[in-house]
Amino acid sequence: DGGITQSPKYLFRKEGQNVTLSCEQNLNHDAMYWYRQDPGQGLRLIYYSQIVNDFQKGDIAEGYSVSREKKESFPLTVTSAQKNPTAFYLCASSRARASGYEQYFGPGTRLTVT
Amino acid sequence: EDQVTQSPEALRLQEGESSSLNCSYTVSGLRGLFWYRQDPGKGPEFLFTLYSAGEEKEKERLKATLTKKESFLHITAPKPEDSATYLCAVQAGYSGGGADGLTFGKGTHLIIQP
Repeated sequence: DGGITQSPKYLFRKEGQNVTLSCEQNLNHDAMYWYRQDPGQGLRLIYYSQIVNDFQKGDIAEGYSVSREKKESFPLTVTSAQKNPTAFYLCASSRARASGYEQYFGPGTRLTVT
Repeated sequence: EDQVTQSPEALRLQEGESSSLNCSYTVSGLRGLFWYRQDPGKGPEFLFTLYSAGEEKEKERLKATLTKKESFLHITAPKPEDSATYLCAVQAGYSGGGADGLTFGKGTHLIIQP
């Protein structure tokens, strides 16, 4: 079955540690995205990538980093510089680089930092 | 700045009681308006894409419509399994034609009571 995989589902870290969230897709989609969801707020865009080895900052990129070495993979690192890292993180992909195509989401990773 | 406002924030209906959810938006050059369904603790599930005013799409008990300033998600004779949070998102025009991220509203939490 084609889809988007995020792992792990739950992640716990101590403050000051970097942590990397995994996102893999087998849909052969060109574009991939990372969003953050907090209670009572809409999803907010962190980073996105339209093609391998290229990515752009979204609205809330500070304290995060990404890489896109393979078409199928778009890992997100939450660094110790992110002031409020506890959130639900969602990865998405879209089949084309052009706009207007729907994005499909993975199951999410809930990160808790204490 | 692109903005999406959804109303009401929460809606409780009896099974079979039809209603509509509203999504008002301001965007510079709409490339697409998207509706998603999200169950607790899960990633959003894609429902519809609308591109231009006057467009309508249907799926089972759901029907989405679009005007130049808002979109409606009509729910006809809902069942308890339709209970979820419904998210509206827009994608703005981009001079380079690239697949930018989506701007989301905060969602409408819908409860259908048996």
